[in-house]
Amino acid sequence: GENVEQHPSTLSVQEGDSAVIKCTYSDSASNYFPWYKQELGKRPQLIIDIRSNVGEKKDQRIAVTLNKTAKHFSLHITETQPEDSAVYFCAAPLSGGYNKLIFGAGTRLAVHP
Amino acid sequence: GAVVSQHPSWVICKSGTSVKIECRSLDFQATTMFWYRQFPKQSLMLMATSNEGSKATYEQGVEKDKFLINHASLTLSTLTVTSAHPEDSSFYICSARQPAGWANEQFFGPGTRLTVL
Repeated sequence: GENVEQHPSTLSVQEGDSAVIKCTYSDSASNYFPWYKQELGKRPQLIIDIRSNVGEKKDQRIAVTLNKTAKHFSLHITETQPEDSAVYFCAAPLSGGYNKLIFGAGTRLAVHP
Repeated sequence: GAVVSQHPSWVICKSGTSVKIECRSLDFQATTMFWYRQFPKQSLMLMATSNEGSKATYEQGVEKDKFLINHASLTLSTLTVTSAHPEDSSFYICSARQPAGWANEQFFGPGTRLTVL
């Protein structure tokens, strides 16, 4: 089955700096990699995802890169703002149908003004 | 589009009672819904996959007789926590997938915070 590891568990940056969160997965057949942002007490919200047929995807200040050979993918946030402070989760599909997602342990990002 | 609701948003119950949580897809039909549990400062742990018109499939370590799932229609799945105990206190979140053509993306409900006294 799929195993997803996420690092770091906490990340503290100054406003305007970049933040990078990395995840590794184990199932080479995985083909979809979403990133979710969760604020305290709220639902996870999809912020960006990438499919295995591309190596990079960008949406304004957020980008995701995928290295299928090494089986890792990363979230990049540039020009961080205090409202980026939240917990970020990566996920990868569990094989066996239904496209069940297995989540990483999460990264608590704090952006200081 | 792709809105998922949950009810109730929070519930407090006594130990030994049962609690039902509803998950609805409001603007699309969801043949598959997922139930997660999230303890404080932890990740989302998949509990089970809810399939419309058939039995749910449970992840390893999740007691199917304790967490009853019913997916009676294409827009509603329910999770019933039976004989709840304090250790069942958690944030329960459902998600739903859009029909074929939208591939893997899951949309999450707002969650239900369960507190068992």
